[in-house]
Amino acid sequence: DSGVTQTPKHLITATGQRVTLRCSPRSGDLSVYWYQQSLDQGLQFLIHYYNGEERAKGNILERFSAQQFPDLHSELNLSSLELGDSALYFCASSVGGSFRGGYNEQFFGPGTRLTVL
Amino acid sequence: KNQVEQSPQSLIILEGKNCTLQCNYTVSPFSNLRWYKQDTGRGPVSLTIMTFSENTKSNGRYTATLDADTKQSSLHITASQLSDSASYICVVSGSSASKIIFGSGTRLSIRP
Repeated sequence: DSGVTQTPKHLITATGQRVTLRCSPRSGDLSVYWYQQSLDQGLQFLIHYYNGEERAKGNILERFSAQQFPDLHSELNLSSLELGDSALYFCASSVGGSFRGGYNEQFFGPGTRLTVL
Repeated sequence: KNQVEQSPQSLIILEGKNCTLQCNYTVSPFSNLRWYKQDTGRGPVSLTIMTFSENTKSNGRYTATLDADTKQSSLHITASQLSDSASYICVVSGSSASKIIFGSGTRLSIRP
């Protein structure tokens, strides 16, 4: 158990809908990262928040957005869902806020499996 | 183009044997390289993290090496156990967060 929690575990919805995925980081961690893992593209970095502020963006679609709240939990909002958005969505947390730091270890949550029908 | 290529795609070995997984990358400038273990349907777990100045890092039976000149890394697993069956993913970070490139992974199966 990494200490990172994600809800829900599974989510089934229809195309065009909007969903919200939730992540609670490990106690003491200020950074939250979101990743998408699909069968055909592997793991991809989406976005990084540090202490409530967006720190970096990766391959995140405009239909997706995220935020980190004062209690440090984070939500990933996916809208106008398409079949291709079906994937595992992982959240990770770390103490520090930099990807450059060699020892800024990230701890991954169990993921949310999203199925778009 | 920034890429991370892992080989082999899949590997089957007998319990107790050693194996080595490869990772070649073209990400530049380079910041750090991480190896993760991912069990099916679960989140990745960090095994090692190396910066450009480190050429070897161990974590129990796992030993990672890095050659920043040739842009190659390897993960060596010693005395494999059934619980080592998983996907092993190499991740290379560049100078900015947008340059975080994941390899497609090596699926390792350990047979009794």
